[in-house]
Amino acid sequence: DIQMTQSPSTLSASVGDRVTITCRASQSVSTWLAWYQQKPGKPPKLLIYKASTLESGVPSRFSGSGSGTEFTLTISSLQPDDFATYYCQHYNSFPYSFGQGTKLEIK
Amino acid sequence: QVQLVQSGAEVKKPGASVKVSCRASGYTFIGYDIHWVRQAPGQGLEWMASIIPNTAGAKFAQKFQGRVTMTRDTSISTAYMELNNLGSDDTAVYYCATPYQRDGFDIWGPGTLVTVSS
Repeated sequence: DIQMTQSPSTLSASVGDRVTITCRASQSVSTWLAWYQQKPGKPPKLLIYKASTLESGVPSRFSGSGSGTEFTLTISSLQPDDFATYYCQHYNSFPYSFGQGTKLEIK
Repeated sequence: QVQLVQSGAEVKKPGASVKVSCRASGYTFIGYDIHWVRQAPGQGLEWMASIIPNTAGAKFAQKFQGRVTMTRDTSISTAYMELNNLGSDDTAVYYCATPYQRDGFDIWGPGTLVTVSS
């Protein structure tokens, strides 16, 4: 099974900051990787798929990059609505799996 | 409107079973896999299993193999996830989701809270 590891687990930042979250796969997943944002009490929301394709309606300050085993999610200028928990997920092969999550907190 | 509608919250005793439903609306049910993801209180997301509505073929995470049953009723566009021999660590919100227009899961149900308590 492919293991997904995110870092950091928690990230403190301020409005306007540029932040980057990293996701590593235990073996190559090509570009079969998605990023989700989750807020308390809500289901996850798809932000990016195929490692770098922005989901419709998602602000352009979000971007994804990477392939193989190393991926990043970048938010270019944090907005108040962005403080949430972020997860990566591979869908290269079964079983699909998620990273453990990165909680983005207000500094 | 494309959406997944899930059954309501459940409270079960240890050792019991729970069956959660996920009804698709606004799209062709048999065209898209249904996945189940759970989230224990304060914890991360855990992929459990998926079903191909057209064929009923299913895939499972190793830890749930033998304890989870995936079924569907195409006449009412509904998928079911049944988890047996519940323990307290099965207390979680159970989500269904589908990769409708994207590779990733772009459509999610609202979640079903399953509480296991004696």
